[in-house]
Formats: sequence, C-alpha cells, structure tokens
Amino acid sequence: SQQGEEDPQALSIQEGENATMNCSYKTSINNLQWYRQNSGRGLVHLILIRSNEREKHSGRLRVTLDTSKKSSSLLITASRAADTASYFCATAPMNRDDKIIFGKGTRLHILP
Amino acid sequence: DSGVTQTPKHLITATGQRVTLRCSPRSGDLSVYWYQQSLDQGLQFLIQYYNGEERAKGNILERFSAQQFPDLHSELNLSSLELGDSALYFCASSVEVHLGTEAFFGQGTRLTVV
Repeated sequence: SQQGEEDPQALSIQEGENATMNCSYKTSINNLQWYRQNSGRGLVHLILIRSNEREKHSGRLRVTLDTSKKSSSLLITASRAADTASYFCATAPMNRDDKIIFGKGTRLHILP
Repeated sequence: DSGVTQTPKHLITATGQRVTLRCSPRSGDLSVYWYQQSLDQGLQFLIQYYNGEERAKGNILERFSAQQFPDLHSELNLSSLELGDSALYFCASSVEVHLGTEAFFGQGTRLTVV
C-alpha cells in the first residue's frame, strides 16, 4: 500500500499564481521528500525535509512538515509554465527498512 | 543528467517472454531501488539492494526478480510477461541506507507487452 497520499490529485492554476499540494502519510518517518516528474520522464528531487524540521525553502519552493498530523505541504510561488508536471511526496520510514515510498502524485497544470 | 543510467529505454515484447532491465547507479551510490509506474499510477516500490544485498522488498511479483552485482549495477528480470506488466520501470540510487537521502532516478525503461 502507498505510504503517502497527495492531495489534490490534479490542480490547474493560472501562471503567476501560487500552487499548494498536500501529502499525508501513515507511519513515523525519518524524512520526507518531494519530487517532480515531467510526463513520462524520470523523477527529479526537489527538496528534503527531516522529521525534526518544520519548514524549508528552496527558491520558489516552500515545504512544511507537521509530524503530529503526519502531513506535509509543498508551495510553489509565482508559478511558471515550466512547473507543469506531476509532483510526488516520498517518505523514508523511521525503522531500518530503507524503502522510499511514493504517493500517487498531484498533476499540476499551469495555464498561460 | 542524474547520473543513473537505465537500458534499454524502450522494450516491446510478447506475452510469455522474459526481459532484463539494467541499471547503473550514480558513482558512489550503494543503494539501488526499482519502481514500477503504470499509467496514471504512482510509483510502486518493487525492491531495494544495498551493496549487493537485498535490503527491502515491496509488491514485487514472484515472476520478477532482481540482483545487484559486485560493480553495483543492478538488473531487474521480468518473466512470463503479461499485458498488465506494461509500465515504466524506474531505477533510482542513493548513498545512505537508513538515514534516507535523496534518490536519483534514471529516465526509465518503457516496457510494452503485446
């Protein structure tokens, strides 16, 4: 079963607007990562946030983590056409099992 | 370029056949992960190797097997192929095992079973 669940499944916004995607997970984690996938291509790592961190920034990306609610959010500010892609959250579990488990992703479409 | 190389990029084969997908991890990465992505689906974790040993197993079918060789490259073997096995198969590599570091993905092998 999937560990992470992204919400919404799909999102369309106007270029220049902010996009927010959410991820919920089930078990305790060591860290949570966000990846981007352009259609049919490999995933690209965006940002990693550790379980003892609450917020992290990278360029136009802002990630928050709430371990009490087992949830994370990814905010993309000032969206661009090139941001059109699927976004996945992935969790690294706290136990020694080293799986990196992905959710089903959010499909983001930036409208011109 | 992630540094992870997967071959072949595309593969078309008939039902009942067997194929081997190959992955060369980034230089220095000891962990290799295999994922399957079907149409409109997320990535399903199949299996992970660390320095030649199987470390974690996901929803991998008995018809599928994998191994990691001494030079750290990995192969995923899919046998008795069925139409439903058509998917993108991704390999990823990373450095640390337990702490979890970012994974670097290859461009995938698109398998089509006809």
